[in-house]
Amino acid sequence: AQSVTQLGSHVSVSEGALVLLRCNYSSSVPPYLFWYVQYPNQGLQLLLKYTSAATLVKGINGFEAEFKKSETSFHLTKPSAHMSDAAEYFCAVSDRAQKLVFGQGTRLTINP
Amino acid sequence: NAGVTQTPKFRVLKTGQSMTLLCAQDMNHEYMYWYRQDPGMGLRLIHYSVGEGTTAKGEVPDGYNVSRLKKQNFLLGLESAAPSQTSVYFCASRAAGTGVFSSYEQYFGPGTRLTVT
Repeated sequence: AQSVTQLGSHVSVSEGALVLLRCNYSSSVPPYLFWYVQYPNQGLQLLLKYTSAATLVKGINGFEAEFKKSETSFHLTKPSAHMSDAAEYFCAVSDRAQKLVFGQGTRLTINP
Repeated sequence: NAGVTQTPKFRVLKTGQSMTLLCAQDMNHEYMYWYRQDPGMGLRLIHYSVGEGTTAKGEVPDGYNVSRLKKQNFLLGLESAAPSQTSVYFCASRAAGTGVFSSYEQYFGPGTRLTVT
């Protein structure tokens, strides 16, 4: 069975600071992993995905994530936060069949 | 190309009333999903469909029914609404296929905010 744990339901950083959102997964098969972003009152939008190619994955809006099998982690980073990055972020793992399993979400706040 | 659309965007129901949420996608996707989103709980899968005429239960199916009569539409029904069903409901779809040639990426609609009083 697959599961996802996002460490920290709320992360607050200053504008221009490093953004680090943590995601650990458990999977019975080699995982496909995703980060989605949800802006207020909107649906989820794919930020980036890992599908067993390069372990460092680059996504939209300057975000990237690194797949670390030994740590079962897929943390999301951005070198310099922007006010427009304020949103909720979800990590998800695929069961390689029909479903995605989502983490609980991390709300990112950017302080001016 | 509208992607995934949901109707309605907002709805208020009284306990015991019924309603149907409509999801439509124009990407010719085989798979469609209904999720509910509640604070601190992420997205939980209610029901899903892997093709026209098929449905399956997800993580939290009780109190909901679904139908997939046409490939592009996936309906979510509440027969007798309860306050515990107050939530934001999201529909998603993805292309079929497994293995190295599928990314399993799901595309989401904008959501329906449902309040049951």
